[in-house]
Amino acid sequence: GDSVTQMEGPVTLSEEAFLTINCTYTATGYPSLFWYVQYPGEGLQLLLKATKADDKGSNKGFEATYRKETTSFHLEKGSVQVSDSAVYFCALTPLGYNKLIFGAGTRLAVHP
Amino acid sequence: DSGVTQTPKHLITATGQRVTLRCSPRSGDLSVYWYQQSLDQGLQFLIQYYNGEERAKGNILERFSAQQFPDLHSELNLSSLELGDSALYFCASSPFDRNTDTQYFGPGTRLTVL
Repeated sequence: GDSVTQMEGPVTLSEEAFLTINCTYTATGYPSLFWYVQYPGEGLQLLLKATKADDKGSNKGFEATYRKETTSFHLEKGSVQVSDSAVYFCALTPLGYNKLIFGAGTRLAVHP
Repeated sequence: DSGVTQTPKHLITATGQRVTLRCSPRSGDLSVYWYQQSLDQGLQFLIQYYNGEERAKGNILERFSAQQFPDLHSELNLSSLELGDSALYFCASSPFDRNTDTQYFGPGTRLTVL
C-alpha cells in the first residue's frame, strides 16, 4: 500500500544551521505531496505542498521538490531559527483518494 | 487560526463510556476528515465526508461512527471506550474532494480514557 518514510529524529541544530529532513514515499501513480508542521500543543499547519512531478513547494524559507525518479520530497531550509522548533510531517494523498497518509514525524529542536 | 473549530478541547472519561466530538469546517469547505494521533500509531486517517455523504474510510473501528450534517458540521462518535482509544483526534476540512486540495486542521480534541 501507499506509505511515507521520513528520517527519524530528533534533529538538533544550532540557530542559522542548514536543515534537511528526508522523506521518501511509495505510491502508485502521481500522489500529491505535503509537509505539515505541528508546534507544541497545537494542530497541524500546512507548510508547503507539490501536486506534480518537479514542482517545488516553498513557504517561510522552507522548500521541497517533488522528485518522481527518486520518489522523494525532502524538506530544506537554509538557516533555521529557534522558532522553527516543532514536529514536521511528510504526507501524501494518493491519486483518486483524499486521505492523508503521514510519515512518523521528525522532531526538530533548534538551539540559540 | 485555520478556521476549523473542534469541541471540546479536552475530554476525560471512563472505559465503556460513549463520547461525541464535534467539528465545524472552514466556511465553504465541503469535505471533512477525521484523524487520530497516538504515540504508538502516529497520525491515522479515520473517515472522510463530502457534502453529507461518506466518501472514504480508513482504519476506523466499528465502535466509532461519524456523520456530516446539512450545515456541514461533523460529529465523531466513539463508544464502548477502551484505554487504547486515548489519543488526540483531529478534524480537517478542504474545499472539495480532490487529492490536490489542502486539508486545514483544527486544534484537536484530546481524549483521555481512564
